[in-house]
Amino acid sequence: EVQLVESGGGLVKPGGSLRLSCAASGFTFSSYSMNWVRQAPGKGLEWVSSISSSSSYIYYADSVKGRFTISRDNAKNSLYLQMNSLRAEDTAVYYCARDLKPGAVAGTPFDYWGQGTLVTVSS
Amino acid sequence: AIRMTQSPSSFSASTGDRVTITCRASQGISSYLAWYQQKPGKAPKLLIYAASTLQSGVPSRFSGSGSGTDFTLTISCLQSEDFATYYCQQYYSYPVFGQGTRLEIK
Repeated sequence: EVQLVESGGGLVKPGGSLRLSCAASGFTFSSYSMNWVRQAPGKGLEWVSSISSSSSYIYYADSVKGRFTISRDNAKNSLYLQMNSLRAEDTAVYYCARDLKPGAVAGTPFDYWGQGTLVTVSS
Repeated sequence: AIRMTQSPSSFSASTGDRVTITCRASQGISSYLAWYQQKPGKAPKLLIYAASTLQSGVPSRFSGSGSGTDFTLTISCLQSEDFATYYCQQYYSYPVFGQGTRLEIK
């Protein structure tokens, strides 16, 4: 069974940093591109970042470029999101999500999602 | 950036109804379009991809159509478990989601 479990969320002050983790199991993690998607309270979904299976290709939304860094450790079956210079508008539930098709660099939807971890940026 | 616009933003329907949700892209995206269902407090669930391909395990009452800029999600006979929020997503370029359509019980 495919499982994605996020952790690392919490309350942080504006300008602070946080590192999210996503532990994957039930599939060959190293074969899939992975993604972060967020959802502000009561709002819609916003794609944040994607990383290819071997970390060769990395993409960011303009809203987080230069502040967030996505990475992965295939030996540990884990995905990460380092978030720096956090702002109030970064407050959201952050989901990790798997690409539908293995080996894709881009251009696939997301078939498995974690339960999400809440990040709150407030003084 | 490509913008995705869903309509309506919300509406009410009854169990057994046939409902259609529309999604329009600001530029052509071929068939790189997915639909998700999200229930309160839960992660989104992939329903349809490639505009019309049903994801494994999704009931056949869900169907999708369209290509280019105009797409639809149809639920042929609403069940109680279908009341949720639905999002379209283009993956032709950097992923972009529509604003969502909230389907409520009448």
